[in-house]
Amino acid sequence: EDQVTQSPEALRLQEGESSSLNCSYTVSGLRGLFWYRQDPGKGPEFLFTLYSAGEEKEKERLKATLTKKESFLHITAPKPEDSATYLCAVQDVLGNNDMRFGAGTRLTVKP
Amino acid sequence: DGGITQSPKYLFRKEGQNVTLSCEQNLNHDAMYWYRQDPGQGLRLIYYSQIVNDFQKGDIAEGYSVSREKKESFPLTVTSAQKNPTAFYLCASSTGTGGDDGYTFGSGTRLTVV
Repeated sequence: EDQVTQSPEALRLQEGESSSLNCSYTVSGLRGLFWYRQDPGKGPEFLFTLYSAGEEKEKERLKATLTKKESFLHITAPKPEDSATYLCAVQDVLGNNDMRFGAGTRLTVKP
Repeated sequence: DGGITQSPKYLFRKEGQNVTLSCEQNLNHDAMYWYRQDPGQGLRLIYYSQIVNDFQKGDIAEGYSVSREKKESFPLTVTSAQKNPTAFYLCASSTGTGGDDGYTFGSGTRLTVV
């Protein structure tokens, strides 16, 4: 069965303090790995899709990277508005386009 | 603007009652999904539909039912057989594979048993 494990569960940073979030996954074959941002009481918002090991994608202060077993979401010089829960999800080539989600990392950036 | 709309935002259910959560999209997406989110857990798939008049069970379908009579609409009924329905329910839609653009999510319905 596909599995997605995110760490840490919660992360508190000072504004400007860079860090990384981890997503470890197990799938039969990876169709895609997805990162989402979720604000309290809202639905997740799509950030990135990664397809193969070695791929990287960037958006403002966020950069996502992918290996054969895990993905990292690097946050450079974060701002308070980056505070949110970040969710990782995978699609298996043997699945039906459904995604399996991790429990998320709750990020708090203090000014 | 295209998007996905869930209603109501808050819903209260009495013991033994069936309730229906609405999900409508105007993105012309073929696939639609229902997920349940509980504190400290990842989103868990309840049902999904890739085309009209067809849908499949997800990991936690027991106590739930769906229909897909129109491309735009994918309502979820929480039946009295669902013993622990209090949760945040999220509807999503995507193009066939949801690849480059991922899923588009609604803003959720918070269901509480009273």
